[in-house]
Amino acid sequence: SQQGEEDPQALSIQEGENATMNCSYKTSINNLQWYRQNSGRGLVHLILIRSNEREKHSGRLRVTLDTSKKSSSLLITASRAADTASYFCATPVSGNTGKLIFGQGTTLQVKP
Amino acid sequence: DAGITQSPRHKVTETGTPVTLRCHQTENHRYMYWYRQDPGHGLRLIHYSYGVKDTDKGEVSDGYSVSRSKTEDFLLTLESATSSQTSVYFCAISEGRINSRQPQHFGDGTRLSIL
Repeated sequence: SQQGEEDPQALSIQEGENATMNCSYKTSINNLQWYRQNSGRGLVHLILIRSNEREKHSGRLRVTLDTSKKSSSLLITASRAADTASYFCATPVSGNTGKLIFGQGTTLQVKP
Repeated sequence: DAGITQSPRHKVTETGTPVTLRCHQTENHRYMYWYRQDPGHGLRLIHYSYGVKDTDKGEVSDGYSVSRSKTEDFLLTLESATSSQTSVYFCAISEGRINSRQPQHFGDGTRLSIL
């Protein structure tokens, strides 16, 4: 079963606006990761936030993590048409296997 | 971009035929994974490898087998393909540090159609 669930499933905004995507998960984690997938391509790692971190930034990306609510959010500021993609959160399976469980993703469309 | 090559990129075959997909990496990463991606199901793990000749099942392993005879190559085999195995298949790699605090790096996928 999927550990992470993204919300909304689809989001359409105008260029320059901010986009916020949410992820909820079920079990305790030591980190949460966000990935982007452009159409017809593989997933690309964006950012990893550890369980003892509440917020992390990378360029126009801002990720928050609330372990008490088992939720995370990804904010993309000043969006561009090139940000059009699907975004996935992923949480690790316990043990040192490196396995991740992915949510079903949020499809973001940024209109020029 | 991480050095991951999947082959073939596209394949159309018939039900009942064997199919082998190849993932080749140049990063010398310990862990390799095979996923399938389907609408409504997201990304699901089929099998993974934690070293040469060391493999284990994921959540949707039925009908699939894997082999890893070299660090750089991870093969996924459908012994007798079925239409339900029509999907996009992704290979991923990771370094395998402790506590799973490392990202996975993905290939660009193989689009497999079984008629």
